[in-house]
Amino acid sequence: TQLLEQSPQFLSIQEGENLTVYCNSSSVFSSLQWYRQEPGEGPVLLVTVVTGGEVKKLKRLTFQFGDARKDSSLHITAAQPGDTGLYLCAGTSGTYKYIFGTGTRLKVLA
Amino acid sequence: EPEVTQTPSHQVTQMGQEVILRCVPISNHLYFYWYRQILGQKVEFLVSFYNNEISEKSEIFDDQFSVERPDGSNFTLKIRSTKLEDSAMYFCASSPTGFGNEQFFGPGTRLTVL
Repeated sequence: TQLLEQSPQFLSIQEGENLTVYCNSSSVFSSLQWYRQEPGEGPVLLVTVVTGGEVKKLKRLTFQFGDARKDSSLHITAAQPGDTGLYLCAGTSGTYKYIFGTGTRLKVLA
Repeated sequence: EPEVTQTPSHQVTQMGQEVILRCVPISNHLYFYWYRQILGQKVEFLVSFYNNEISEKSEIFDDQFSVERPDGSNFTLKIRSTKLEDSAMYFCASSPTGFGNEQFFGPGTRLTVL
């Protein structure tokens, strides 16, 4: 069974701080996605990474896919209260089945 | 901007009753998915659907569940005989192409089984 473990589970930081969220698995994924979910809403895609070692940037967010395509990280620079939310990674191994991670709940305090 | 819609937003039912959750995917998308999220837990894949048939399903998607695309716009999830543990948020998603592509999620239907 494929599993994606995210760490930390909860993170509370002050505005302006940097943070990194991790998504780890013992399985290889052909692509991995990061989503952000607000309470009462569906997940919204932030980025898709498909190549081992790939780095993508989205404004203050930097996403990296591990060389072996088993792990990924999300780094936020100078966090803002608007970054508060649940961050989810999701992977697929080349099928139509997506496995979601356990989630990291981020709270950025003003 | 096109979006996935789901109805109802909240469904309350008695244990043992049948429920149908409805979704309207984005019009030119070809792949459709159902997920569920039990309160406080992670998002779980239920089923993917393409070309009018199931592409993949999880262990959760047993004989109590079925999906259908009855016309060109709706995509439904039926639970034949609901159980207490079926209480969850159910999300529909669609994508223009298959794996590795962006999935657009609907706002979800909160199912409460009493």
